[in-house]
Amino acid sequence: QQQVKQSPQSLIVQKGGISIINCAYENTAFDYFPWYQQFPGKGPALLIAIRPDVSEKKEGRFTISFNKSAKQFSLHIMDSQPGDSATYFCAASNAGGTSYGKLTFGQGTILTVHP
Amino acid sequence: DGGITQSPKYLFRKEGQNVTLSCEQNLNHDAMYWYRQDPGQGLRLIYYSQIVNDFQKGDIAEGYSVSREKKESFPLTVTSAQKNPTAFYLCASSFQGSTAQHFGDGTRLSIL
Repeated sequence: QQQVKQSPQSLIVQKGGISIINCAYENTAFDYFPWYQQFPGKGPALLIAIRPDVSEKKEGRFTISFNKSAKQFSLHIMDSQPGDSATYFCAASNAGGTSYGKLTFGQGTILTVHP
Repeated sequence: DGGITQSPKYLFRKEGQNVTLSCEQNLNHDAMYWYRQDPGQGLRLIYYSQIVNDFQKGDIAEGYSVSREKKESFPLTVTSAQKNPTAFYLCASSFQGSTAQHFGDGTRLSIL
């Protein structure tokens, strides 16, 4: 029940295209859903996050779409650029209770944007 | 600059040897975390600590130990009991009650 399932495992997109990465969760107590971006040899960096009281959040070219009833959320990268090539992780957390702060991560998606 | 420093960047362990990975933060964060990253498996939580002198096991604590004697430091020891220690280890920190975690740049541990 703590799992977060992420797909696809890898994704190749042409420059200027839209990259879409999907995640699904089971634990209905999750109430915080961040996305992290990781470049080779570096630690993940927080990209964008959403709480379940909204269905969409946009920051620049990055948008999170959230479907509470389906227990799914996705990351859309508009106008994808070669510099977006990285590994992306979705995550989920229950901000309340004794386990607050603990993140459960998806398996990761390796995004390659071809010029 | 504030941040999280992990050292060393690369570490090699001999069979039967314990090794300790360092994690220091100057962000004044209360909570600190250790994750293990393997290809295709995402990040898995090893141990976490919300306050000094207190820590809890994560999902894969077997074969690992930690200490939290100072707010800014959270070292991880990979013991000889960890049979498959080769991985990329990431340390993170956050303010207490915050879900926004900041990560270091990791230590890659390999077996000789």
